Amino acid sequence: GENVEQHPSTLSVQEGDSAVIKCTYSDSASNYFPWYKQELGKGPQLIIDIRSNVGEKKDQRIAVTLNKTAKHFSLHITETQPEDSAVYFCAAIKAAGNKLTFGGGTRVLVKP
Amino acid sequence: DAGVIQSPRHEVTEMGQEVTLRCKPISGHNSLFWYRQTMMRGLELLIYFNNNVPIDDSGMPEDRFSAKMPNASFSTLKIQPSEPRDSAVYFCASSLQGALYEQYFGPGTRLTVT
Repeated sequence: GENVEQHPSTLSVQEGDSAVIKCTYSDSASNYFPWYKQELGKGPQLIIDIRSNVGEKKDQRIAVTLNKTAKHFSLHITETQPEDSAVYFCAAIKAAGNKLTFGGGTRVLVKP
Repeated sequence: DAGVIQSPRHEVTEMGQEVTLRCKPISGHNSLFWYRQTMMRGLELLIYFNNNVPIDDSGMPEDRFSAKMPNASFSTLKIQPSEPRDSAVYFCASSLQGALYEQYFGPGTRLTVT
């Protein structure tokens, strides 16, 4: 089955700096890669996703990149703000798959 | 839009007692997922329903756990008997069948078994 590894497990950045979270996956058939943000006391929420036919996708201050050859994808947050503090999860799924495989999560702390 | 609704939000029970967690998915979503989240094991998928039918229950820890979905707007996860190691946050999520990567999570139920 699919295995998703996520690094780092914790990340502390100064407000205004960038944050980068990296994930690798094992199943070359996976072709949807969503990212979820979990704030304290809440359930994870989808913030952005990338599909295998796209190398990069941006949405305001967040961007995701995908390298299918190397089987890794990354989340980039620019100009970090205190409200970006949360746990972020990467995930992978096949088009015909029936479940998401989540990474272990990255706890991001943005220091004012 | 009410989102996914879970109840109760917090549950404290004694070892050996039966626990029932409830979930109401987003109207129109035909896929429903139960997850368990702990510090040690992260987010684990317990069971997945499609059109009210259990599709994959390979994540259910053992026979003490059972889940049902009697109709499109309601699901339960039952633990009987409960054990301290079941203490975790349990999430329900729903999605459209054709967009399983886009799951909408409820607020979770924090279960503490003493």
